[in-house]
Amino acid sequence: GAVVSQHPSWVICKSGTSVKIECRSLDFQATTMFWYRQFPKQSLMLMATSNEGSKATYEQGVEKDKFLINHASLTLSTLTVTSAHPEDSSFYICSAHRDGGGGRAAGELFFGEGSRLTVL
Amino acid sequence: GNSVTQMEGPVTLSEEAFLTINCTYTATGYPSLFWYVQYPGEGLQLLLKATKADDKGSNKGFEATYRKETTSFHLEKGSVQVSDSAVYFCALSESAGNQFYFGTGTSLTVIP
Repeated sequence: GAVVSQHPSWVICKSGTSVKIECRSLDFQATTMFWYRQFPKQSLMLMATSNEGSKATYEQGVEKDKFLINHASLTLSTLTVTSAHPEDSSFYICSAHRDGGGGRAAGELFFGEGSRLTVL
Repeated sequence: GNSVTQMEGPVTLSEEAFLTINCTYTATGYPSLFWYVQYPGEGLQLLLKATKADDKGSNKGFEATYRKETTSFHLEKGSVQVSDSAVYFCALSESAGNQFYFGTGTSLTVIP
């Protein structure tokens, strides 16, 4: 089945540094990828929609200058947390959409394993 | 707008008990409905899905039926196992490539 790989799976960094998280679709092309943030015991909060070859679409309240998203190819999207602070510590999950193959039915969304960021 | 409402957890059951996790939705069109499962320390995995009214999704003993009249997609399993302990998310999406909307998740713990 389709696989989405996220890297790194966990990272610890110092406050003020930047961290890049990669999301790759391993066996399919993904025009659209999504980045979510998950707080402990809460649901996924959609941060942005990443579109190959164009600017990402950010959800309300998400700082686009802080969470830089680049979708340079059909199999890779990156999220860079710039000047990270302890409040940015969280579990970041990416997902990639594979078309269901026609009609109005939504295709399946495949998720990466998640990246746990801890900012000291 | 689109939204998903899930029953709040956490839910604790004994092994072999019957499980129901309620999920209702609001949508402007004709959504597809999904249940995703998240095991501890892992990302989300698709558990089952249904793309139109009256469809039943099933996998690993779990079932959910797309009920348009009650706008529901309740997850059920007749006999849970310890290995089913996870967080379960109900979700909807209206069309291919469109955004997914998730419920808040329901944590399930199954004790021996």
